[in-house]
Amino acid sequence: GENVEQHPSTLSVQEGDSAVIKCTYSDSASNYFPWYKQELGKGPQLIIDIRSNVGEKKDQRIAVTLNKTAKHFSLHITETQPEDSAVYFCAASKRGRTALIFGKGTTLSVSS
Amino acid sequence: AAGVIQSPRHLIKEKRETATLKCYPIPRHDTVYWYQQGPGQDPQFLISFYEKMQSDKGSIPDRFSAQQFSDYHSELNMSSLELGDSALYFCASSLERGLAGGPYEQYFGPGTRLTVT
Repeated sequence: GENVEQHPSTLSVQEGDSAVIKCTYSDSASNYFPWYKQELGKGPQLIIDIRSNVGEKKDQRIAVTLNKTAKHFSLHITETQPEDSAVYFCAASKRGRTALIFGKGTTLSVSS
Repeated sequence: AAGVIQSPRHLIKEKRETATLKCYPIPRHDTVYWYQQGPGQDPQFLISFYEKMQSDKGSIPDRFSAQQFSDYHSELNMSSLELGDSALYFCASSLERGLAGGPYEQYFGPGTRLTVT
């Protein structure tokens, strides 16, 4: 089955810096890659997603890139703010399956 | 905007008891998913339903069962509870547009924290 690896497990940056989180997946049939932000005591919040027919997608300070050949995708956050501090999860899924397979998560800390 | 509603938000049960968790999807969403998240872990997929039919199954124990009703809400029934069942249980919902176009964006609820003592 699908396996998603996520790095780093923790990331500390200064306010205003950029943050990059990387994920790799094993199933070449996977075609949907969402990113979720989870704050303490809350449910995962979908922040951006990308499908396999697109190489890059951007939404204000957040961008996701996908390299299908290498089977990896990355989340880029620019101009980080303290409110960006949370656990970020990448996930993968494929046509015919509804399950999201999550990475282990990255704890992002943004200090002011 | 309306979000996924889960009830109860907190539940404390003893070993061998049963529990029922409820999920009300975002209006017009027809697919619900259940995930289990242990402390410090990533969400693990349990089961999903589309139009009241089971559409996918993950690592759901045989002690658990779920169903989706005609109003699209879903219930997760858990029996013979064990200490290891203590976790956050999330429901997510999406608008299915036919499997040929899937997968679809899943929106998560706030979760139910189940504690088994």
